[in-house]
Amino acid sequence: EAGVAQSPRYKIIEKRQSVAFWCNPISGHATLYWYQQILGQGPKLLIQFQNNGVVDDSQLPKDRFSAERLKGVDSTLKIQPAKLEDSAVYLCASSSGGGPDEQYFGPGTRLTVT
Amino acid sequence: QQQVKQSPQSLIVQKGGISIINCAYENTAFDYFPWYQQFPGKGPALLIAIRPDVSEKKEGRFTISFNKSAKQFSLHIMDSQPGDSATYFCAASKVSGGYNKLIFGAGTRLAVHP
Repeated sequence: EAGVAQSPRYKIIEKRQSVAFWCNPISGHATLYWYQQILGQGPKLLIQFQNNGVVDDSQLPKDRFSAERLKGVDSTLKIQPAKLEDSAVYLCASSSGGGPDEQYFGPGTRLTVT
Repeated sequence: QQQVKQSPQSLIVQKGGISIINCAYENTAFDYFPWYQQFPGKGPALLIAIRPDVSEKKEGRFTISFNKSAKQFSLHIMDSQPGDSATYFCAASKVSGGYNKLIFGAGTRLAVHP
């Protein structure tokens, strides 16, 4: 079974530029999560989708971050404009349901904002 | 209320020794407590998880001990091996209702020396 795919793996941008990350979850997984992991910290949930609907986006900085999940499969996370403090690894995860099902994480995208 | 506090920040253990990582939570509504293992450049992967109706769960060399009254849980790695060297995250969530928002601890970097 293929795992969660993310691209790009690395991205360097200047502050105030925009950036987009892509995630392809495990086939058949209804729930998709985007996490932000700042160096030296645990992952923090930004947004959770159930199929193509948003379940929780309470910690998503909506003035600059946006996310969508097209047709309940792939998802993109966008930052516009980026700030220095957005430098982090952005992790995508998926699970078959929304309960205590295992969340499978992708390798992440390391974003550096200069 | 939503925090999960993890200690120690880093841990050095000799091969064959026991590694112990501790976590404490505040929200008594949490009912799912997983541990994740993360290697450099990879996403976190589920190691073992426990629900609060049991006080201990063992899988191979990995054991979770859970103390509901103290609101604490810990990971014990028996016979620690160099291949166990990684960052370990505890997490907690309230999964009833089919909603699994994981709150992660800050992580423990484990180094097992040969």
